[in-house]
Amino acid sequence: AQTVTQSQPEMSVQEAETVTLSCTYDTSESDYYLFWYKQPPSRQMILVIRQEAYKQQNATENRFSVNFQKAAKSFSLKISDSQLGDAAMYFCAYSNTGGFKTIFGAGTRLFVKA
Amino acid sequence: KAGVTQTPRYLIKTRGQQVTLSCSPISGHRSVSWYQQTPGQGLQFLFEYFSETQRNKGNFPGRFSGRQFSNSRSEMNVSTLELGDSALYLCASSPMDSGNTIYFGEGSWLTVV
Repeated sequence: AQTVTQSQPEMSVQEAETVTLSCTYDTSESDYYLFWYKQPPSRQMILVIRQEAYKQQNATENRFSVNFQKAAKSFSLKISDSQLGDAAMYFCAYSNTGGFKTIFGAGTRLFVKA
Repeated sequence: KAGVTQTPRYLIKTRGQQVTLSCSPISGHRSVSWYQQTPGQGLQFLFEYFSETQRNKGNFPGRFSGRQFSNSRSEMNVSTLELGDSALYLCASSPMDSGNTIYFGEGSWLTVV
């Protein structure tokens, strides 16, 4: 069975600084998807970024980028120029191709200091 | 385009009762999945429906069931409620060509007393 592990329950970053959230996963599949979702206090889950396992190039979305290390089964999220609105719970997630069962990590709560 | 709509947003039930939660997916999305979020267990997958058929199921007891209608709207039902069923229930929908990306609703908060 696939698992997703986020080892940092909480992280803190100064406004305008850069922070990296860690995620590791376990799977025997060769093709899959990885995601980072953000859940602000409103509890609305928002997709931050998606990575397809067959793509070697790391995904980027504006200030958000990932470091995808397939062999190490590692998928970290880097947030550059952190803003107060980035404060939220961040979930790393995994999904096999061919289905929509998504497995989530336990989450990392990010605090942004002004 | 309207997002995923879940109703009711908040509800309180008594132990032993049953509850039905509803989810209307984004227009054109045919896959609907359900998740339970609790402080202790995190986000756990309940089940996923596509074209009225359950394609995937998580590790939940048979008290948790769901269905999908021909218009892709979905309902989930929990019978014989227990205190531990208190949670945020999240529905998500997905189109066929999304690369497995799921789009969430705001959730239904269930409190069992």
